[in-house]
Amino acid sequence: DVKVTQSSRYLVKRTGEKVFLECVQDMDHENMFWYRQDPGLGLRLIYFSYDVKMKEKGDIPEGYSVSREKKERFSLILESASTNQTSMYLCASIRGAVSSYNSPLHFGNGTRLTVT
Amino acid sequence: QKEVEQDPGPLSVPEGAIVSLNCTYSNSAFQYFMWYRQYSRKGPELLMYTYSSGNKEDGRFTAQVDKSSKYISLFIRDSQPSDSATYLCAMSAGTGGFKTIFGAGTRLFVKA
Repeated sequence: DVKVTQSSRYLVKRTGEKVFLECVQDMDHENMFWYRQDPGLGLRLIYFSYDVKMKEKGDIPEGYSVSREKKERFSLILESASTNQTSMYLCASIRGAVSSYNSPLHFGNGTRLTVT
Repeated sequence: QKEVEQDPGPLSVPEGAIVSLNCTYSNSAFQYFMWYRQYSRKGPELLMYTYSSGNKEDGRFTAQVDKSSKYISLFIRDSQPSDSATYLCAMSAGTGGFKTIFGAGTRLFVKA
């Protein structure tokens, strides 16, 4: 069974702090993603990575950066946290390039970040 | 206008009821249609997957796609309290999970 593990369930940070959210998957998936989930807005893609050291911007990359030094690990970085980045952050991975029934997006259980 | 519209609810039904969840979309290029289920404090999990138009049935769940109307539905028969969750529709125009667009999700409560 695919497992996507996010290191923290809850985080509370202060405005201006640098924040690291970590995600590890154990199924050798090529593609990994960071989404944020907000009420009424659904899941919005922040960044994705299709290979080690490769990254692409999603729909809302402003204020975020990512790092993928190893295939199994994908980190989301908030360079200077702001209150509007308070949200649920979800990491996901997928095998190959095609999203299908046999190869769906696999999500972690999320990190709820509060910036005060 | 959002590419995918989904009523956030909440929707509350008695146990045993038939539940209908719906999404509309604007991008005619979407070909892959999915429903994810998300329990409280968990990540979404794929529930149903349909390619192009038509119906797909899996146990108590039926997914319908009407591309002419740009409308997709998920029906849950004989709903159970364990079906209480948020249901997210998702759709994609082609390859790659990064092109998946999600609806806002509908919160469903099934009362025993």
